[in-house]
Amino acid sequence: DVVMSQSPLSLLVTLGQPASISCRPSQSLIYSDGYTYLSWFQQRPGQSPRRLIYKVSNRDSGVPDRFSGSGSGTDFTLKISRVEAEDVGVYYCMQGTHWPRTFGQGTKLEI
Amino acid sequence: EVQLVESGGGLVQPGGSLRLSCAASGFMFSGHWMSWARQAPGKGLEWVANIKEDGSEKYYVDSVKGRFTISRDNTKNSLYLQINSLRAEDTAVYYCATGAGQDWGQGTLVIVSS
Repeated sequence: DVVMSQSPLSLLVTLGQPASISCRPSQSLIYSDGYTYLSWFQQRPGQSPRRLIYKVSNRDSGVPDRFSGSGSGTDFTLKISRVEAEDVGVYYCMQGTHWPRTFGQGTKLEI
Repeated sequence: EVQLVESGGGLVQPGGSLRLSCAASGFMFSGHWMSWARQAPGKGLEWVANIKEDGSEKYYVDSVKGRFTISRDNTKNSLYLQINSLRAEDTAVYYCATGAGQDWGQGTLVIVSS
């Protein structure tokens, strides 16, 4: 199985400051169609997960543009340009290239 | 608006069975892969199973193979997860999601305990 390693596991950020989360898969996530199926999810306290980013860098509808995804190979990053209070929660990366799908351990963002 | 509504969770004894359901609306259900994922209390997310649009392909995480069965009824816009031989470590909130995780339900809690 593909192991998704996230860092840091905990992040304390000041309002208005940037935040960055790293995700490193144990193998390449490039699928046979040429796409890289790496997604980022946000889970606010007491809520269901919400997808923010798909295929490395594509924002889902309604996701603020302060969220961005980047990376390639085995090194991916989720960046929040200016953290807001509503961003508190746990963030997960997930690979959708290989079976079984696997998530990172999660990064808890606090303010 | 996409809606995914899970049901069927509850308290069950070790070794028991449950059938979880997910009612989908607001999108063309028959045109999407669908997934089940779970989250144990205070833990991270774990993908459990996926099923292709027509049900012809199914994939499972190793820990549930042979015990869980994912299925769907496109005439009823419904997704199912039959879970057998339940263990304490299966205790979790079970989420229904579209295949790529774009949309998620609110989850249904399964507690395995004697």
